[in-house]
Amino acid sequence: GENVEQHPSTLSVQEGDSAVIKCTYSDSASNYFPWYKQELGKRPQLIIDIRSNVGEKKDQRIAVTLNKTAKHFSLHITETQPEDSAVYFCAASRLKTSYDKVIFGPGTSLSVIP
Amino acid sequence: SQTIHQWPATLVQPVGSPLSLECTVEGTSNPNLYWYRQAAGRGLQLLFYSVGIGQISSEVPQNLSASRPQDRQFILSSKKLLLSDSGFYLCAWSVPNPGANVLTFGAGSRLTVL
Repeated sequence: GENVEQHPSTLSVQEGDSAVIKCTYSDSASNYFPWYKQELGKRPQLIIDIRSNVGEKKDQRIAVTLNKTAKHFSLHITETQPEDSAVYFCAASRLKTSYDKVIFGPGTSLSVIP
Repeated sequence: SQTIHQWPATLVQPVGSPLSLECTVEGTSNPNLYWYRQAAGRGLQLLFYSVGIGQISSEVPQNLSASRPQDRQFILSSKKLLLSDSGFYLCAWSVPNPGANVLTFGAGSRLTVL
């Protein structure tokens, strides 16, 4: 089955610096890659996603890149702010006409130091 | 609008006791439903998913079972809890969609087995 690895497990950055989280997946048929953010004590929420027909997607300070050949995808956060502190999860899924399961990476705990 | 309810929010149970966690979704029909477990400091492990009433797929062998007696109701159960069943359980739903598989999570149920 699908396996998603994620690095680093913890990351500390100074406010204003950039943060990068990297993931790899095993199932070459995966074609949908979402990122979820879980603030302390709260439920995970989708922040951005990318499909396999796109190499990069950006939404304000957040960007995701995808390398299908290498089966790598990454989350980039620029100009980090204290409210970016949270656990971030990457995930992979194989979209079909009905459904496929979403497999998550182990998570990255990001701390933004004011 | 769609909402997801999950209860109880917290639960402390002795080893060997039964378990029942419930999840209901409002405002949508025929959702995909999921149970994830989040152990302390770890990622989101997919336990069960369902694409319809009575259709349950199990991802990992374990001491737990799931049922979907109604379209928008998903129940996680155990006949005899183990210490290793402790964790944070998250129910989620998604709309069957060939273009995306966006999960919306419930608030979670924190289970402590003593």
